Amino acid sequence: DVKVTQSSRYLVKRTGEKVFLECVQDMDHENMFWYRQDPGLGLRLIYFSYDVKMKEKGDIPEGYSVSREKKERFSLILESASTNQTSMYLCASTGGDSTYSPLHFGNGTRLTVT
Amino acid sequence: AQKITQTQPGMFVQEKEAVTLDCTYDTSDPSYGLFWYKQPSSGEMIFLIYQGSYDQQNATEGRYSLNFQKARKSANLVISASQLGDSAMYFCAMRGQPGFQKLVFGTGTRLLVSP
Repeated sequence: DVKVTQSSRYLVKRTGEKVFLECVQDMDHENMFWYRQDPGLGLRLIYFSYDVKMKEKGDIPEGYSVSREKKERFSLILESASTNQTSMYLCASTGGDSTYSPLHFGNGTRLTVT
Repeated sequence: AQKITQTQPGMFVQEKEAVTLDCTYDTSDPSYGLFWYKQPSSGEMIFLIYQGSYDQQNATEGRYSLNFQKARKSANLVISASQLGDSAMYFCAMRGQPGFQKLVFGTGTRLLVSP
């Protein structure tokens, strides 16, 4: 089974802190994603990557950056955390390039910014 | 651009009954895929079922089936014989043409199954 591991289940950070959310997958997938989940808004794509050192902005990239130095690891960075970034963050990965390639998700990181 | 609409914020069903969760989509891509995910209260996203735009038959996976009506651009999830463990958030999602691997999600439907 594909395993996507997010380093933290819960995080509490202060406004202005730099925050790193880490994600590792063990299936040699080319594509990795960071989504944000908020009640009533569903999942919204922040950034994705289709190869090492490659990244593409999603629908809500403002206030975030990403890093993919190794194929298995995709990091989400909040340069200066703000309270409106309090949310559930979900990492996902998939391989192949067909319309059928379900995303495999990590268990999520619930981030609270105070 | 793709868009997914789920108009039911919450649904209630009694155990052992069937329930339909609605999903409509919008895309100009001729080839696309539709997905349903389940998210229990524990938070993990569980892939349930997939329907390709060129598939002739509706997808089925155990108690889950996808009622795919291409002309209406709808992809409703049908859960037969509901169980208490089906209580969860359900998300409909789609992917456009091959090669663009991101999924676009709807806002979700919370299903509550009562005894």
